[in-house]
Amino acid sequence: NAGVTQTPKFQVLKTGQSMTLQCAQDMNHEYMSWYRQDPGMGLRLIHYSVGAGITDQGEVPNGYNVSRSTTEDFPLRLLSAAPSQTSVYFCASSRAARQGEGGYTFGSGTRLTVV
Amino acid sequence: DAKTTQPNSMESNEEEPVHLPCNHSTISGTDYIHWYRQLPSQGPEYVIHGLTSNVNNRMASLAIAEDRKSSTLILHRATLRDAAVYYCILRDVLSGGSNYKLTFGKGTLLTVNP
Repeated sequence: NAGVTQTPKFQVLKTGQSMTLQCAQDMNHEYMSWYRQDPGMGLRLIHYSVGAGITDQGEVPNGYNVSRSTTEDFPLRLLSAAPSQTSVYFCASSRAARQGEGGYTFGSGTRLTVV
Repeated sequence: DAKTTQPNSMESNEEEPVHLPCNHSTISGTDYIHWYRQLPSQGPEYVIHGLTSNVNNRMASLAIAEDRKSSTLILHRATLRDAAVYYCILRDVLSGGSNYKLTFGKGTLLTVNP
């Protein structure tokens, strides 16, 4: 099993550009989410999805869009990149988001720099 | 949000046991205690979780205090590959009340000396 696959691993954008960070999982997990990690801070939840066709906002959703058309894929779109979005982005999935249902599997991350 | 408190850093020697503490005095009766770790330049990795009883898996053991206000992650024999940031997490409820998210603090940076 590949687990959670994120692409690209590295990306440099100019301010105002848009792009999509890809996330795919092959574990048939219901729950998928996007986090960002900034230096000196913990991971913060951007958006999450509890199943195909269902998405919701996390703690820091502004400037990002998501969709979930299939169980496997959960892309994160940056609408108009800003330097404040420079960060490492992690995608995570789990069998369910309910309490006690086990652990999350994280991807290896996308390191994004906005100049 | 339910909060946890961990030491900023700890050191251990290779092949010795490591006890990583976590305080969670505001834990509710239904909160599971989760531990993740993050190796340098990698995504977080699930380690273990538990509710009331001590738990063991191939990676570690989780000892939970009787009052559940604290827990300890135990690595039985530390290796250099165990050097990472360890996060103790209580899942937070998402809107709607039926789903949960992970709230990561700053964790404990574990250094393993050869």
